[in-house]
Amino acid sequence: KAGVTQTPRYLIKTRGQQVTLSCSPISGHRSVSWYQQTPGQGLQFLFEYFSETQRNKGNFPGRFSGRQFSNSRSEMNVSTLELGDSALYLCASSWVGGGGTEQYFGPGTRLTVT
Amino acid sequence: GENVEQHPSTLSVQEGDSAVIKCTYSDSASNYFPWYKQELGKGPQLIIDIRSNVGEKKDQRIAVTLNKTAKHFSLHITETQPEDSAVYFCAAIPGDYKLSFGAGTTVTVRA
Repeated sequence: KAGVTQTPRYLIKTRGQQVTLSCSPISGHRSVSWYQQTPGQGLQFLFEYFSETQRNKGNFPGRFSGRQFSNSRSEMNVSTLELGDSALYLCASSWVGGGGTEQYFGPGTRLTVT
Repeated sequence: GENVEQHPSTLSVQEGDSAVIKCTYSDSASNYFPWYKQELGKGPQLIIDIRSNVGEKKDQRIAVTLNKTAKHFSLHITETQPEDSAVYFCAAIPGDYKLSFGAGTTVTVRA
């Protein structure tokens, strides 16, 4: 069974631009969560989608948004990029999500904002 | 929200020795505690997990223990090997769906 895939793997953007990252979950998984990983803040939860609905949201500004498609693939968008948005963005998929359900991570997208 | 603290931040062990990483959590509603291993350039990999109705779980050289009363859980790696060198994260899930992670422990296994 193929794992979680994320595209692109690396991105370089300029301040003020916007970016869209993509995540394809493990086949059969319906929940996709997004996390931001930085050396200073560690792994922080962004949001979770299940059946095309955002089910939970972390403490990030509205510049961070996401969506999920009917095939469970998910995208996240960051508008008006800031230098502090440079990070590894990880998505994780699980069968139904929720407490107590295993989450499997993709390799991440490394975003650098200059 | 849930707050997970993880210690130590770095751990250096001799090959063949044991490694122990400890985490504490704040939300008594947390009921699922996974551990992840992250190697350089890769995403976190789920290596073992434990649920609140179990006190201990073992998988080959890896074991996790949970003390609900004290709100702490630990990862034990026995007979460490060079390939165990990585960053390890503990996490907890309270009543909502958000994984709260510890800050991570960088484990180095010396040959």
